[in-house]
Amino acid sequence: GQQLNQSPQSMFIQEGEDVSMNCTSSSIFNTWLWYKQDPGEGPVLLIALYKAGELTSNGRLTAQFGITRKDSFLNISASIPSDVGIYFCAGRSDNYGQNFVFGPGTRLSVLP
Amino acid sequence: EAQVTQNPRYLITVTGKKLTVTCSQNMNHEYMSWYRQDPGLGLRQIYYSMNVEVTDKGDVPEGYKVSRKEKRNFPLILESPSPNQTSLYFCASSGLAGRLNTEAFFGQGTRLTVV
Repeated sequence: GQQLNQSPQSMFIQEGEDVSMNCTSSSIFNTWLWYKQDPGEGPVLLIALYKAGELTSNGRLTAQFGITRKDSFLNISASIPSDVGIYFCAGRSDNYGQNFVFGPGTRLSVLP
Repeated sequence: EAQVTQNPRYLITVTGKKLTVTCSQNMNHEYMSWYRQDPGLGLRQIYYSMNVEVTDKGDVPEGYKVSRKEKRNFPLILESPSPNQTSLYFCASSGLAGRLNTEAFFGQGTRLTVV
């Protein structure tokens, strides 16, 4: 099935640095979601976006719904050790009925 | 508290022994779905359901069955498990697309090992 493209695949950063990651698709989406997954646990919703151009924050996290509706971005400011994990994007659109399409994830490591 | 509950969290079984993984949600969601997650392959959809008695195949349905007799429950059934079904399984639920707040909520996961 369709998958979203996420970049980077993985990243190593120093504690306190800012992080940016993105998610792209060849088709448009009506909803963009960002999740964080800890090892062996279920993905936890971080931010949900429903309108093109929408910019939403959740604490140190900020995500944007791209104007073209084909991409989304997640930024984490002033990273801390507990930010370590895998970040997934997900999209939903009429093209895929009720189903969600997921990216492969960005693995984030934070060095002290 | 809004949640999706899967049981069991961990399961080791032998090839061919039928098993069921339960999933229950308390948010009155119409949509429920099962995924398996394997290293390097991301989340792959097994089956989904848009409402009671309405189920459909996802990308990797072979070897699995589901049922949706009640809105809150969506069990995953492995009639004759095989080692290639060893994986981490997630159940998720959401409202239907086109409405407000239709994000997916995930269960804690079930790690299944088939020997």
